[in-house]
Amino acid sequence: DSGVTQTPKHLITATGQRVTLRCSPRSGDLSVYWYQQSLDQGLQFLIQYYNGEERAKGNILERFSAQQFPDLHSELNLSSLELGDSALYFCASSGVSGGANSHEQYFGPGTRLTVT
Amino acid sequence: AQKITQTQPGMFVQEKEAVTLDCTYDTSDPSYGLFWYKQPSSGEMIFLIYQGSYDQQNATEGRYSLNFQKARKSANLVISASQLGDSAMYFCALGSSGSARQLTFGSGTQLTVLP
Repeated sequence: DSGVTQTPKHLITATGQRVTLRCSPRSGDLSVYWYQQSLDQGLQFLIQYYNGEERAKGNILERFSAQQFPDLHSELNLSSLELGDSALYFCASSGVSGGANSHEQYFGPGTRLTVT
Repeated sequence: AQKITQTQPGMFVQEKEAVTLDCTYDTSDPSYGLFWYKQPSSGEMIFLIYQGSYDQQNATEGRYSLNFQKARKSANLVISASQLGDSAMYFCALGSSGSARQLTFGSGTQLTVLP
């Protein structure tokens, strides 16, 4: 158990809909990362938050957005869903920047999204 | 831009033998980190080992060791005494050491341990 939790585990929804994925980082971790794993694109970085602020953006579509709340949990919002958005979405967390082992990212179990 | 290459889509190894999974990388960052993750069929991503670009010694974690050759830009994972439970997809990843530490992943190597 990595200590990172994600809900829900599975999500099935229709095209055009909007969903919210939730992530709670390991206790004490300030950074949260979102990744998408799909068959055709592999594992791709979407976005990073550090202590509530956006720190880096990757290949995140404009239809997707994220935020990190004061209690450090994060949500990834996916809207106007398309069939191609079906994927495994991971959240990862890491420790205080510059701290011991702060580079290690621990992944949650993922949310499997199926768009029909 | 950062790039990670894993050239072995699939590997087989006999139980109790050692196996090396290849990984090469390219980055313009002067300081970076290399990671290996294991993804079993259940889907979770399990952190295995980390190597910093300025670390003098190769990283080891139990049966896992990272053969880091900076001049060749390679960071191969060596698994000793393979076990049936090692059968999984293995991903190599490259991360920067700055404040934005997102990982760039390779395409993965599917390892099958044979009894």
